[in-house]
Amino acid sequence: EAGVVQSPRYKIIEKKQPVAFWCNPISGHNTLYWYRQNLGQGPELLIRYENEEAVDDSQLPKDRFSAERLKGVDSTLKIQPAELGDSAVYLCASSVSGETQYFGPGTRLLVL
Amino acid sequence: GNSVTQMEGPVTLSEEAFLTINCTYTATGYPSLFWYVQYPGEGLQLLLKATKADDKGSNKGFEATYRKETTSFHLEKGSVQVSDSAVYFCALFTGGGNKLTFGTGTQLKVEL
Repeated sequence: EAGVVQSPRYKIIEKKQPVAFWCNPISGHNTLYWYRQNLGQGPELLIRYENEEAVDDSQLPKDRFSAERLKGVDSTLKIQPAELGDSAVYLCASSVSGETQYFGPGTRLLVL
Repeated sequence: GNSVTQMEGPVTLSEEAFLTINCTYTATGYPSLFWYVQYPGEGLQLLLKATKADDKGSNKGFEATYRKETTSFHLEKGSVQVSDSAVYFCALFTGGGNKLTFGTGTQLKVEL
């Protein structure tokens, strides 16, 4: 069974530029999560989707971050414009029940 | 709110030594508890879990017992290997919030 796929694995951009991350969850997993992991910290939830509906986006900085999950399968997370403090690892996870989540390899973002 | 506290690292051990990484939690309701492992440059992998009090989760020689009376879920392994070097995250899940809450992680270094 294929795991959660994310791309790109690494991204370096200058501040104020836009950036987008893509995630394809495990087949059949209706719940999709985006987490941000700062250096030396545990992941923190940004947004949770149940199928194509964003059911928890309370921690998503909506002034610059946006996400979509068209057709309830793969998902894109966007930052526009990026700031220095956005440098982090962005992790996507998926699950069937919500409780046991499977993570992708993450996208390491560096904003210069 | 929910929170997870882990012992600070790095924890440095010699190969074949006994490992304990402490984890305590604060949560409303009855959470499920998890240990995830993150190898350098990779995403999080589920190591083990326990869903109710006194349950023991185990995998790859690692064990952790859900202790409700002490609100703890300490990770143990009887004999560590160099390949166990990674960052270990304790996490809890409650159905009310439907999200994982992570500790800050504990880095383990195993030397020959």
